[in-house]
Amino acid sequence: DTEVTQTPKHLVMGMTNKKSLKCEQHMGHRAMYWYKQKAKKPPELMFVYSYEKLSINESVPTRFSPECPNSSLLNLHLHALQPEDSALYLCASSEPDSFTEAFFGQGTRLTVV
Amino acid sequence: QKEVEQDPGPLSVPEGAIVSLNCTYSNSAFQYFMWYRQYSRKGPELLMYTYSSGNKEDGRFTAQVDKSSKYISLFIRDSQPSDSATYLCAMKGFYNQGGKLIFGQGTELSVKP
Repeated sequence: DTEVTQTPKHLVMGMTNKKSLKCEQHMGHRAMYWYKQKAKKPPELMFVYSYEKLSINESVPTRFSPECPNSSLLNLHLHALQPEDSALYLCASSEPDSFTEAFFGQGTRLTVV
Repeated sequence: QKEVEQDPGPLSVPEGAIVSLNCTYSNSAFQYFMWYRQYSRKGPELLMYTYSSGNKEDGRFTAQVDKSSKYISLFIRDSQPSDSATYLCAMKGFYNQGGKLIFGQGTELSVKP
């Protein structure tokens, strides 16, 4: 099973709302990632959790707050977002070393109004 | 200079053509190479992965790596309209924290019936 499941698939939120994106994988991978992707651009890395600890934060604004409750779950908490934060948010998982591939979920399409 | 360069296209070919997609990279620390296919508004789907120079074949797809030239390619034989998508190269290097993926810009491919 090479599936990474993301919920919800679509989300519309106002600038004062608080919402969360969820990601789950059952491949036993010990690294999980959040990426942001704008139209016709490649995915941009936001956060990496390795062995359930935050190992990379690519200078993401604090209105995005990641959480890794256990090795198979990853959340992204959203608060006070801006319209320019509208994008496809992708979760991925892999083993935390150089010689393994990464698998992506289908993404959550977020619209901030 | 970007770490990974990929011609964004768009690339349009007739059905049955051989397609060649290419990426160049500047960081010799990159050792693991992946190709993803992404349909519109979906998450990237892993197509091929390899870490050695040479060719790797899987059905109609062949991944080629030339580490001496820092150049990777994906060949699609007998292209089909269902191959129409954006193709992203991605790479990882030694000692990356959590296995950070670096993406090319993506090449948009259209296969015409």
